[in-house]
Amino acid sequence: QSVLTQPPSVSAAPGQKVTISCSGSSSNIGNNDVSWYQQLPGTAPKLLIYDNNKRPSGIPDRFSGSKSGTSATLVITGLQTGDEADYHCETWDSSLTVGVFGGGTKLTVL
Amino acid sequence: QVQLVQSGGEVKKPGASVKVSCKASGYTFASYGFTWVRQAPGQGLEWVGWISPNNANANYAQKFRGRVTMTIDTSTSTAYMELRSLRSDDTAVYYCARKSRSYDPLTGYYGQYYFDYWGQGTLVTVSS
Repeated sequence: QSVLTQPPSVSAAPGQKVTISCSGSSSNIGNNDVSWYQQLPGTAPKLLIYDNNKRPSGIPDRFSGSKSGTSATLVITGLQTGDEADYHCETWDSSLTVGVFGGGTKLTVL
Repeated sequence: QVQLVQSGGEVKKPGASVKVSCKASGYTFASYGFTWVRQAPGQGLEWVGWISPNNANANYAQKFRGRVTMTIDTSTSTAYMELRSLRSDDTAVYYCARKSRSYDPLTGYYGQYYFDYWGQGTLVTVSS
């Protein structure tokens, strides 16, 4: 059981928008910044969002992140088939004193 | 460009140890620490621990304490993770990643650590 809760899967058509949630508690998301990682099939994770809503250089603005209370959200607009991947949220848990990941969400672009 | 290149896959018997390496290039090695993350087959990511760039501070997830040791060799720009007393449920791909965080010079605020570059992963298989 992951400390952070993500939906196992989401799907949408090309060109549409999808939202991936990441739910935690006051000891993790509630008091720490969240990062998001994209993992294409058979590859290593790649940083997508850090500090809740910042994009590294090279990440298109179709990807955006936000945080409110003890939940974080990743939004992907203008879906492309190349966006099919697993998406993972991560933050620090101040009570457990460890980094914690969500269980990952598999995005299918229909 | 920043690159993290990990050692090759390993097959170990239960009770053995494994040491995975992660060689860095393309940046000032001493300025960044490393985190290690693993992913069991078909599962999500699991945080194993992290180490500061000067070996002064390592923090391991509770479930691995006593079995894991992370070290850094600045002379070769290489990070290592050793896992001992291997069990079948340690079978996973192990990733190293560079730790970074943002800094706001106006407020002096450091953001939360995130992992901006990742190695390609090392499959460790534990089987009798």
